[in-house]
Amino acid sequence: SQKIEQNSEALNIQEGKTATLTCNYTNYSPAYLQWYRQDPGRGPVFLLLIRENEKEKRKERLKVTFDTTLKQSLFHITASQPADSATYLCAPLSGGYNKLIFGAGTRLAVHP
Amino acid sequence: GAVVSQHPSWVICKSGTSVKIECRSLDFQATTMFWYRQFPKQSLMLMATSNEGSKATYEQGVEKDKFLINHASLTLSTLTVTSAHPEDSSFYICSASQSAMSPGAEGYTFGSGTRLTVV
Repeated sequence: SQKIEQNSEALNIQEGKTATLTCNYTNYSPAYLQWYRQDPGRGPVFLLLIRENEKEKRKERLKVTFDTTLKQSLFHITASQPADSATYLCAPLSGGYNKLIFGAGTRLAVHP
Repeated sequence: GAVVSQHPSWVICKSGTSVKIECRSLDFQATTMFWYRQFPKQSLMLMATSNEGSKATYEQGVEKDKFLINHASLTLSTLTVTSAHPEDSSFYICSASQSAMSPGAEGYTFGSGTRLTVV
């Protein structure tokens, strides 16, 4: 069955450092992979999308990589700030299949 | 940008009663909307896909008679939790995509969620 794995333990880093979050998937051949941020008691907010033919995507301090051979996506936040503290969710999608299924999410805590 | 409005943001109801949650796309038409449930410290679990003008598609293990979904227009989907019990207490969230042609190619917009507490 399809499986999405994210680091279940919280990631604690110091302000200014780069946070790297991992998303691994099995039994998927996604055409896209999306990353979302969720704050407590709120709905997820879309951050970035990467296509299967793209190796890397950037948006301001965010960078996403997509390795279809390893079946893995990495999500980086450079120069992290306490305001980046949240849970980050990944969601791979197959082409033409619009159901969005999330991984368990990784909670990031950025300390001053 | 696309906005999805969800109401109410929280509701407390007595066991055995029904509760309706509304999800509206404010500035775009959504042929398809999705309903999720999230328990504390857990990820979002997809409950059902709401299709405008037709029956919803439920995920395995979700009781369709308990969670009634109606998608009467291109901008409104409702989730009714019928005969609610304390174990139905959860955070319910809806989402929609602006793109009907290739929804996976764009981000989905989520509502702000509804905290349901059944006492």
